[in-house]
Amino acid sequence: GAVVSQHPSRVICKSGTSVKIECRSLDFQATTMFWYRQFPKQSLMLMATSNEGSKATYEQGVEKDKFLINHASLTLSTLTVTSAHPEDSSFYICSARVAGGPRLNEQFFGPGTRLTVL
Amino acid sequence: DAKTTQPNSMESNEEEPVHLPCNHSTISGTDYIHWYRQLPSQGPEYVIHGLTSNVNNRMASLAIAEDRKSSTLILHRATLRDAAVYYCILRVFYSGGGADGLTFGKGTHLIIQP
Repeated sequence: GAVVSQHPSRVICKSGTSVKIECRSLDFQATTMFWYRQFPKQSLMLMATSNEGSKATYEQGVEKDKFLINHASLTLSTLTVTSAHPEDSSFYICSARVAGGPRLNEQFFGPGTRLTVL
Repeated sequence: DAKTTQPNSMESNEEEPVHLPCNHSTISGTDYIHWYRQLPSQGPEYVIHGLTSNVNNRMASLAIAEDRKSSTLILHRATLRDAAVYYCILRVFYSGGGADGLTFGKGTHLIIQP
């Protein structure tokens, strides 16, 4: 149990295009999901908190108009990188916080999405 | 947020126990000690967490100092698949919603020699 998936696992795009990344909790509900970014040989950095049915909360220095987050249901959050540029190339990872049950408030991570912008 | 300090890297031999230390001298009474690990090119994986008492699960054991200012993750018999970056993170547990993103430090890169 407590599986989080991400799609796609890997994407290569041209500079200026937009890329959408999906994060799904497969066997539990998550009112809150989190988006992280990880550059090579660095640790994960929290980008934003995605709340079901409301606006996302962004960390300082993260542009909300560039990284659009939609949390449309209790099992799905999407991150859209708009007008991507090479410096946006990174490993994007989501996590989902369990909304109820015996594992309430635990966080589980997706496998990550490798974005390469040419 | 209370910070944690971990060694940059550690090396161990396969099938031997591994003790990964973490210092958290500014821990508060409501902070739980969490351990995650990240294998190459994968998302972090939950390992174990605890508050005051030592904890055991199928993956590892967590030994927490009496003053809670340090803890040790114990892998009883390391395998090559345990080679990963291990993160020690402090996290407040609460029943409500709201921001609860994890703050990852640099972690400890565990190298397992065959």
